[in-house]
Amino acid sequence: DAKTTQPTSMDCAEGRAANLPCNHSTISGNEYVYWYRQIHSQGPQYIIHGLKNNETNEMASLIITEDRKSSTLILPHATLRDTAVYYCIVRGSGNTPLVFGKGTRLSVIA
Amino acid sequence: NAGVTQTPKFQVLKTGQSMTLQCAQDMNHEYMSWYRQDPGMGLRLIHYSVGAGITDQGEVPNGYNVSRSTTEDFPLRLLSAAPSQTSVYFCASSQTGQGTEKLFFGSGTQLSVL
Repeated sequence: DAKTTQPTSMDCAEGRAANLPCNHSTISGNEYVYWYRQIHSQGPQYIIHGLKNNETNEMASLIITEDRKSSTLILPHATLRDTAVYYCIVRGSGNTPLVFGKGTRLSVIA
Repeated sequence: NAGVTQTPKFQVLKTGQSMTLQCAQDMNHEYMSWYRQDPGMGLRLIHYSVGAGITDQGEVPNGYNVSRSTTEDFPLRLLSAAPSQTSVYFCASSQTGQGTEKLFFGSGTQLSVL
């Protein structure tokens, strides 16, 4: 599976959009981009995933560049409860384990 | 619907002791896995299973044993605990383990080995 690069930490003002970038320049054609988050010491929580097209659900939007070498997770109106570590993961569609990096620590500030 | 349940939540062991971390899911998921998370680090895969009777090693399997006798349960055994195994352990499951599925995590077991 391709590796990902994320900033170590980011801050965001409460109520503003949080844009979390992820680079995955070695992604292959059948690999998906996944985002999970981990709030404090809880188990990670699935947020969203995509292959080529932009995706949106009730939690977030995922914007994938046309060349698929990078993506951005957008939390449209960040709240204090969105403070967490966000993991960007690239994974094939087959039966391969999910591999977590160190992620981005997002701090939402009042 | 309880999801993925891990017990115990906290455990302190002495070096050389053995114990089993329990993981159970009630979603009829075929795929289950164990991760460990050290302070300030991401999660690392220990073992996983794609169905009852089938297990495989992950990134850091040494010092841990697993078995999968039922679909619901996937216990993780530490035969002789070492301080290096002090960590938070997470169990996770999904329908089949295929890449497009959501992975559901338990709330974790915090283990300290003295």
